[in-house]
Amino acid sequence: DVKVTQSSRYLVKRTGEKVFLECVQDMDHENMFWYRQDPGLGLRLIYFSYDVKMKEKGDIPEGYSVSREKKERFSLILESASTNQTSMYLCASSFRLAFADTQYFGPGTRLTVL
Amino acid sequence: DQQVKQNSPSLSVQEGRISILNCDYTNSMFDYFLWYKKYPAEGPTFLISISSIKDKNEDGRFTVFLNKSAKHLSLHIVPSQPGDSAVYFCAASGYAGNMLTFGGGTRLMVKP
Repeated sequence: DVKVTQSSRYLVKRTGEKVFLECVQDMDHENMFWYRQDPGLGLRLIYFSYDVKMKEKGDIPEGYSVSREKKERFSLILESASTNQTSMYLCASSFRLAFADTQYFGPGTRLTVL
Repeated sequence: DQQVKQNSPSLSVQEGRISILNCDYTNSMFDYFLWYKKYPAEGPTFLISISSIKDKNEDGRFTVFLNKSAKHLSLHIVPSQPGDSAVYFCAASGYAGNMLTFGGGTRLMVKP
């Protein structure tokens, strides 16, 4: 079974803090994704990576950066957290990019920025 | 502007009856569609998919129908069970590959 784990289930931070969200997958998947989920808006793609050290912006990259130094690990960074970044953050991975392959999701991190 | 829309935020169905969840899309380049199910405090899990070359795909109690001319797909669950209570997301992918565009989700409640 594919397993995608996220470092924290719940996180509370203050405005202006730097926040790191970590994601690890154990199936040697090429692609990894970060989404945020907000009520009524579904899942919106923040960034994705199709290889180590490679990254591409998704639909809402503003205020976020990412890092992928190892194939199994994909980090989302909020350089200076703001209250409008309070959300559920979901990491996903998939095997291939050039084919509509199933994405496997982690359990999510609920981030609250005060 | 949302390219994938689920216009019903919630749906309540009696156990044993059919649940029908709907999804509309606007981008004609989408050619692969998926449904994900999400329980509280868990990540979404893949449920069923359909390619644009088909108009129906069935997997047990779950059937997805695709109407390309109307840019509409639906998920049918028959019979519905209380364990099906979850949020269902419709997602679409274009020829460019694995990027998924998600709808806003529909919360299904199946009453015993």
